[in-house]
Formats: sequence, C-alpha cells, structure tokens
Amino acid sequence: DAGVIQSPRHEVTEMGQEVTLRCKPISGHDYLFWYRQTMMRGLELLIYFNNNVPIDDSGMPEDRFSAKMPNASFSTLKIQPSEPRDSAVYFCASSSLDREAFFGQGTRLTVV
Amino acid sequence: GNSVTQMEGPVTLSEEAFLTINCTYTATGYPSLFWYVQYPGEGLQLLLKATKADDKGSNKGFEATYRKETTSFHLEKGSVQVSDSAVYFCAPGGGADGLTFGKGTHLIIQP
Repeated sequence: DAGVIQSPRHEVTEMGQEVTLRCKPISGHDYLFWYRQTMMRGLELLIYFNNNVPIDDSGMPEDRFSAKMPNASFSTLKIQPSEPRDSAVYFCASSSLDREAFFGQGTRLTVV
Repeated sequence: GNSVTQMEGPVTLSEEAFLTINCTYTATGYPSLFWYVQYPGEGLQLLLKATKADDKGSNKGFEATYRKETTSFHLEKGSVQVSDSAVYFCAPGGGADGLTFGKGTHLIIQP
C-alpha cells in the first residue's frame, strides 16, 4: 500500500476563496482523521470518521470548515470562505481500531 | 478527553549524548501510548508504542515504558545521532479515540 495520500501538497489561495483538501486513506482502515498543525496550537484533531460516518467534529473551528467521506477510499476537507488564519499544515491519518494511525505527508495551506 | 504534557524545547544535545523527553498524560481509562516523530517537511511517523501498563516500546534505539502509576511514557535513547533531529510527539489514544497530541518536543542534535 502506498500509505495515506494527500493532495495537493501545497496550496496558496486568496482570502475568500474556497479550498478543498483531499485524502485517500490506507485500504482496509476504518478510521480517518483530519488534523491541523500550527506553531501556536500544535496538532489539533478537527474531525474523524468511522466507516465513512463523521463521529466527532467538535474540533472543527467554525462553520466555514466542512468534511465529507463519500466512500471508504476518499475524504475531503473544505474551507469556504478561506481566511489568512486558516494557514497551516493539514494532515489526514487513517487507522484500524486500537491500532496506530498512519499519517499522510500533509497539505501546506497558505491563505493570502 | 485525553491530554498530554511534554516539554516543547528546543532541546539541544551533542551527538552521542543521552536523551530523555518526558511525557505525562491524563486519560479516561487506559489508552495505548505512542511516540511519533516528525522530520522537517514530512508527516508524522510512528516511532514506538505500548498498549498496556509496564509494556516497553522500542525502535531505532529509542525506548519508552508505559507507567500507569505515574501516567508517564518518557522517551529515552542512550546515544543520539544528528539524524535524530526532529520533532517528537507523545500521544495517548488510538483507534476510536483518535490521538491527542501536544505541540511536540523539538530536538536538535549537534555534531
């Protein structure tokens, strides 16, 4: 397996634009997590899915953020409209129950 | 929910020095414990783990022991190398609970 695959690796966008981050988890994993990493706040769990169903989205900062998992092999994190304070590295991770999580390479988002 | 406390650093050591990075956690029940490492520009990689009390996880010369009585999972290495320079994250949880991370400990090893 190629591991968790995220795209794009880098995204630069203007304030107010819609941004969509993509993730392909490891085949067979039934948990998928979205994290955000900043210098100030470290790694924050935004939302996670189990069997494609959102379980806990309490970490999603505000309504501008939304995440979907239409099938077991694909998830998106959308920010609309984007703001400069959304600039961060966004990681997707997947795991099986009670096993370690495997992380993607991350998407570095810059909102100008 | 779970929480973790670890020094942020940077921690600067000379090559071949002994390393300890302290980690204490609070958690509901007895979670699995993990150490992840993040090299510059990369995602997090699992370094080692322990799933129950008194278990010792080890990998690449690093070790950590699950101490239930002190709720700790300190990371140690007897002789560090320049290539160990990275950010290290202690994380309780796993599976349905997700992983709870702090800001990580930035380790710098000087030749």
